[in-house]
Order: sequence, then C-alpha cells, then structure tokens
Amino acid sequence: EIVLTQSPGTLSLSPGEKATLSCRASQIITRSQLVWYQQKPGQAPRLLIYDASSRATGTPDTFSGSGSGTDFTLTISRLEPEDFAVYYCQQYSSSPLTFGGGTKVEIK
Amino acid sequence: EVQVVESGGGLVQPGGSLRLSCVASGFTFSGSWMSWVRQAPGKGLEWVANINQDGSEKQHVASARGRFTISRDNAKSSVYLQMNSLRAEDTAIYYCARGGFTYDFWGHGTLVTVSS
Repeated sequence: EIVLTQSPGTLSLSPGEKATLSCRASQIITRSQLVWYQQKPGQAPRLLIYDASSRATGTPDTFSGSGSGTDFTLTISRLEPEDFAVYYCQQYSSSPLTFGGGTKVEIK
Repeated sequence: EVQVVESGGGLVQPGGSLRLSCVASGFTFSGSWMSWVRQAPGKGLEWVANINQDGSEKQHVASARGRFTISRDNAKSSVYLQMNSLRAEDTAIYYCARGGFTYDFWGHGTLVTVSS
C-alpha cells in the first residue's frame, strides 16, 4: 500500500500570500497518477488537480500542481478568502487507492 | 447538471447491517465507474469500493472485504453499498462519487453511525 504523507499539517497564512503544500509517497507513483482535492467544512471534496499537474474544470489558475515519483506539490500562488480549506492528495497508481492525511490552510 | 445523491445512512448497532444507495443524474451513468469513499468524524478520506460500468469489476478496501459489497443498477442509475457486520470504526460519512480512481463529482454524503 502506498502511504501518502502530507506536510505541513496546518499552514497559517494571510490572504494574498503563497501556499506550498507537500505530498510525499512511500513508493514511486507511476505516470504521475496523483490528484488533489479541496474540502471545506460541511462539504464534499472537490477535485482540483489531476495527473499531478492538470487543472480540473473550474479550478482557478492560481492553483498549480507539480512533482513526480514520490514528491508532489500543490501551490496556491495567491490565497483568496475562499481558498482556506483542507487539501488532500490521492494516488491511483496502485491498489488500494490511498489519500494523504490532509493539510489545513487556515487564516493567520 | 451532474447530481449524485446518497441515502440509507443512520444509527445501527455493532454487528448490524445497512444498505446505502446513490442515485445519479446529469451524465451517462452506464458509462461511468462509480465509487464509495468515507470520512470518519474529523478525520481524512478513505476509499471504500469501486465498480466498473457493467458491474463486472469490483474492488473493496481490505478492511471492508467480506463485509461490504458494492453493486449497481444501470436501469435505475444507482449504485449501492451493502454493509454487514458493522463495527464502530465504520462510523463515517459515506460519499458516493463518479469515477473509479479519481472523483470529479461527489454527493453530499450519508452519515453512518455504528454504536450500541
């Protein structure tokens, strides 16, 4: 099973700042089969990034994904008020499908 | 508009059973993999099961294997999760989502509480 470790657990930033979220895998993720989701309180997750770096429909261009192998990054170039949420990475390179533990981006 | 609506959650005693249902609309249901993903209170996300377009391929997370069964009825645009021998650790919001491996549309979830 591929274990995904997200860091930091919590990121305290102000609107307008840049956020950098990390997702590290215990084994190589082939073909960049990693996605990122955003989840706000009381809501279902929303797909943001697929194939490690492709923005899903409706994802603002302030969000970008990068990485390969075992190290992946989600970057929010300039935080908007609606971006404060929890972010999860998920791999679909091998079964079972697994999620990271999440990074909470909170208002400083 | 794509919609995915879950139902069937509730309070059940340990060892009991529940059947979750998910009705989808706004897309070609019979052409889509479907999945169940759960989230324990205050915790992260966990994939539970997925099923291919005609129901011939199914996978379940190890902790649910032998207890949970995913199925679908394309005529009703519905996917189901039969959960038997429920345990306290199965307590979670259960989300139905479109996709087998990545999920672009999610329902709002249905809460399953396993407690005596």
